[in-house]
Amino acid sequence: DQQVKQNSPSLSVQEGRISILNCDYTNSMFDYFLWYKKYPAEGPTFLISISSIKDKNEDGRFTVFLNKSAKHLSLHIVPSQPGDSAVYFCAASNTGNQFYFGTGTSLTVIP
Amino acid sequence: GAVVSQHPSRVICKSGTSVKIECRSLDFQATTMFWYRQFPKKSLMLMATSNEGSKATYEQGVEKDKFLINHASLTLSTLTVTSAHPEDSSFYICSAIRGGGEKLFFGSGTQLSVL
Repeated sequence: DQQVKQNSPSLSVQEGRISILNCDYTNSMFDYFLWYKKYPAEGPTFLISISSIKDKNEDGRFTVFLNKSAKHLSLHIVPSQPGDSAVYFCAASNTGNQFYFGTGTSLTVIP
Repeated sequence: GAVVSQHPSRVICKSGTSVKIECRSLDFQATTMFWYRQFPKKSLMLMATSNEGSKATYEQGVEKDKFLINHASLTLSTLTVTSAHPEDSSFYICSAIRGGGEKLFFGSGTQLSVL
């Protein structure tokens, strides 16, 4: 049973526009959420995270929003750049002992 | 920042041979390491959780006798794919948690191709 879901397998955005990647989860016990970026044939790299006590965390062009009541989080990238083209995984954790990943969304930023 | 080194990055082997993949935390002690497998266009699938000094915990459906995991020290975990077959061909990734931390640090992955 997939506890973390990314329902959009792919997303294309024009350079300079906003990219919004969505993630839903089912387990209300998750208290920490992360986004990872992955290029082909490489391991994922950490992008940004948010604790369940917050509803927003911003780091440069990347902002993660958390809606606990809807069990939904999203990653906003603005402005989008061609180098942002990658697969983005959201992940959720409860107390850091176990991490559950979504299926990923492939983002293509068109120059 | 924390660095996790995974070696080799690519391996091609004949069917029936065994392949060992190493995962090292270079600048921190990793009490817990994870091994993932990624199939094309699919998520990272957790194979097992490796705790230093104890037996690994395997996810349902993962054959523990086929995928041997050894976490002998706080900086090294190994995954051995025994008697590899073409269906074992995949991208394997390790990750590690720094003690007391909440983030995963990933290795660069190993592309295994079994002929």
